[in-house]
Amino acid sequence: AQTVTQSQPEMSVQEAETVTLSCTYDTSENNYYLFWYKQPPSRQMILVIRQEAYKQQNATENRFSVNFQKAAKSFSLKISDSQLGDTAMYFCALWNNNDMRFGAGTRLTVKP
Amino acid sequence: GAGVSQTPSNKVTEKGKYVELRCDPISGHTALYWYRQSLGQGPEFLIYFQGTGAADDSGLPNDRFFAVRPEGSVSTLKIQRTERGDSAVYLCASSLAAGTAGDTQYFGPGTRLTVL
Repeated sequence: AQTVTQSQPEMSVQEAETVTLSCTYDTSENNYYLFWYKQPPSRQMILVIRQEAYKQQNATENRFSVNFQKAAKSFSLKISDSQLGDTAMYFCALWNNNDMRFGAGTRLTVKP
Repeated sequence: GAGVSQTPSNKVTEKGKYVELRCDPISGHTALYWYRQSLGQGPEFLIYFQGTGAADDSGLPNDRFFAVRPEGSVSTLKIQRTERGDSAVYLCASSLAAGTAGDTQYFGPGTRLTVL
């Protein structure tokens, strides 16, 4: 069975600062994909970043980057230069063979 | 439209009633997924379609839940004899093709179902 764990229910950061959200996972598969989704109060899940497990290079999308440690099964999200619009729930997700599992989420608040 | 749409955005019903939730995927997306998100939790997989057929319905909690996608586009999630425990946000997502490794799923805004 695949599982995803987000150990930080809530986090806060000052505007313009950097914050890192943690995610660990468990799978017996070698080929899989990892995602971070953002869910603002509007409820719509928005893809932030994705990482293919076979790629060693960490994915980056503008202010968002990941630290993918395959051996440790860790997939953290770093948000640089935090903006008020980054305030949302963030979900880590693991995909393998059409099975998508989500963590319980981290509520991030960016303070002015 | 450009994105996944879901109707209604909110649905309030009474225990024991029947409800239908609709999902319009992104045009051209052959794969469609339904998830249920309870308060304070991440989405949980219910069912996914590849075209018109349900390729995996292992996440449906019981036989009160059923979903169809008769023409390979719009999908309807049907819940019979609703129970208070069915209250949740029901999310729909679509992707270009299921089975394509890690094909990105695009989500709709969800339907919040409240069973009184």
